[in-house]
Amino acid sequence: EVQLVESGGGLVQPGGSLRLSCAASGFTFSSYSMNWVRQAPGKGLEWVSYISSSSSTIYYADSVKGRFTISRDNAKNSLYLQMNSLRAEDTAVYYCARTLPGIAGGFDYWGQGTLVTVSS
Amino acid sequence: SYVLTQPPSVSVAPGKTARITCGGNNIGSKSVHWYQQKPGQAPVLVIYYDSDRPSGIPERFSGSNSGNTATLTISRVEAGDEADYYCQVWDSSSDHPGVFGTGTKVTVL
Repeated sequence: EVQLVESGGGLVQPGGSLRLSCAASGFTFSSYSMNWVRQAPGKGLEWVSYISSSSSTIYYADSVKGRFTISRDNAKNSLYLQMNSLRAEDTAVYYCARTLPGIAGGFDYWGQGTLVTVSS
Repeated sequence: SYVLTQPPSVSVAPGKTARITCGGNNIGSKSVHWYQQKPGQAPVLVIYYDSDRPSGIPERFSGSNSGNTATLTISRVEAGDEADYYCQVWDSSSDHPGVFGTGTKVTVL
């Protein structure tokens, strides 16, 4: 059974940093590209970042580029999101999501999410 | 950047058909995926690559995509289908390729 479990969320002050983790199991993690998707309270889904299976290709949403860094450790079956210079508008539930096989991927499995709150 | 537009809400009586549209410039040339999200839960993929259904998703869910509009159709709507629905594409021509629609709240009357 595919499982994605996020951790690392919490309350952080504006300008602070946080590192999210996503532990993957039930599939060959090193064969799949992965994503982070977030959802602000009461709002819609927003794609945040993508990393290919070998980490050779990385994309970011304009809203986080230069502040967030996606990475992965295939030996540990783990995905990460380093978030720096956090702003109030980064407050959201952050989901990790596996990319569907193919070149125009959707997201076939999602974690349960971890809440990040940016507030003083 | 690429924009996907959905109606904010759709209301449907039990047993009837709900159609949720997703508008985008020449969206018919892209692959569209659809997600269902119930309150407090993570999204669930219900249609991928325009019209394919993941295992476990009822046949009542179907999708189509042509021109400037993709459509998610829910036939014989049940109370359990009440949820938010999002379309999504991967815009390969962009350096920020993940794009979600604005979301549609489906209410079962």
